[in-house]
Amino acid sequence: AQSVTQPDIHITVSEGASLELRCNYSYGATPYLFWYVQSPGQGLQLLLKYFSGDTLVQGIKGFEAEFKRSQSSFNLRKPSVHWSDAAEYFCALTLILTGGGNKLTFGTGTQLKVEL
Amino acid sequence: DARVTQTPRHKVTEMGQEVTMRCQPILGHNTVFWYRQTMMQGLELLAYFRNRAPLDDSGMPKDRFSAEMPDATLATLKIQPSEPRDSAVYFCASGLETGGEQFFGPGTRLTVL
Repeated sequence: AQSVTQPDIHITVSEGASLELRCNYSYGATPYLFWYVQSPGQGLQLLLKYFSGDTLVQGIKGFEAEFKRSQSSFNLRKPSVHWSDAAEYFCALTLILTGGGNKLTFGTGTQLKVEL
Repeated sequence: DARVTQTPRHKVTEMGQEVTMRCQPILGHNTVFWYRQTMMQGLELLAYFRNRAPLDDSGMPKDRFSAEMPDATLATLKIQPSEPRDSAVYFCASGLETGGEQFFGPGTRLTVL
């Protein structure tokens, strides 16, 4: 069965520092992958997605992610973190390629704290 | 700017009462999802509809929860009777089956006393 693992439950970075959030997946084929962000009291907002093609994808708010098939990873990065980036980040994959439509499998999330 | 809407945003009720949460998916989307989020369990999928038909409600406690789509513009999630352990944030999301991503509503924060 498919699964998504986010090894880091909490991460703290200083404002202006670079950020990398890890995501590993287990799936029988190349999946469609997503990163969502959830600010306190808000719903989940799509940051970026990977379907195919260029393995480095750009998203909103200055985020990017790189798909690495050999490592089954889809890590999220940002070169310089802003205090407003403090939120919870979810990695997810969809079952669309195996007939599961756009049902998502989510990781457990990484809580990002930004120190000023 | 199309978005998923949910009502109410907050609901406080007493144990045993019926609770109905509503969701208006983005026009044209053919899939709708209901999730529950708690600190302990994280994000759980409760129900999944495609073209208004329920495809997967295995995550939903069948004895007290029910989910329906009376029409393409409305999805409902009902809890009867409610219990304190149902206290959570309930999210609705919609999307196109072939599009991959889901678009989330702002959630309904439910407190059952």
